[in-house]
Amino acid sequence: DGGITQSPKYLFRKEGQNVTLSCEQNLNHDAMYWYRQDPGQGLRLIYYSQIVNDFQKGDIAEGYSVSREKKESFPLTVTSAQKNPTAFYLCASSTDRGSGNTIYFGEGSWLTVV
Amino acid sequence: KQEVTQIPAALSVPEGENLVLNCSFTDSAIYNLQWFRQDPGKGLTSLLLIQSSQREQTSGRLNASLDKSSGRSTLYIAASQPGDSATYLCAVARNNAGNMLTFGGGTRLMVKP
Repeated sequence: DGGITQSPKYLFRKEGQNVTLSCEQNLNHDAMYWYRQDPGQGLRLIYYSQIVNDFQKGDIAEGYSVSREKKESFPLTVTSAQKNPTAFYLCASSTDRGSGNTIYFGEGSWLTVV
Repeated sequence: KQEVTQIPAALSVPEGENLVLNCSFTDSAIYNLQWFRQDPGKGLTSLLLIQSSQREQTSGRLNASLDKSSGRSTLYIAASQPGDSATYLCAVARNNAGNMLTFGGGTRLMVKP
């Protein structure tokens, strides 16, 4: 089935540790996105990529890094510089930059600092 | 900077009621507005997408309207059912940025049997 797969579903990070969240899509979408959601709040854009080997910072990129070496994959690394990383992370993709294209989301990954 | 606000933050209604969820945004220069559904601990599912040139979209028991000039959108749910219980989020696509979205905080809906 076509869709977006995020892994792991639950992840625990120790202080000072980098962790990487995986996002894979088989929808042949050009654009991919990472959002962060805090409890009871909406989503905020961390990074986005509209084409392979290119990505741009969103509204809250500090403490995060990404790569886009393959069209299907857009991993997010939460670095030790992110001081408050505990949140729900959502990956998404869409066909292109057009205004009428539906965006699809993965099931999300929970990250907790221990 | 675009800001999106949803009112109310939470809503509880008996089954069968018609209800309206509200969304407002501060910058009318948008590509489109979308309504999403989110079940607890899950990703988002797109319900309706309204282009900036459109006034409304309908899908089954759902109807969404858009008034760009006043910076408002409403999601109307007819004959609500317990299965409609979820969080509903609206999001606006930033001008010239395709599907880069600015989200509201959501309305948490509970429909009681």
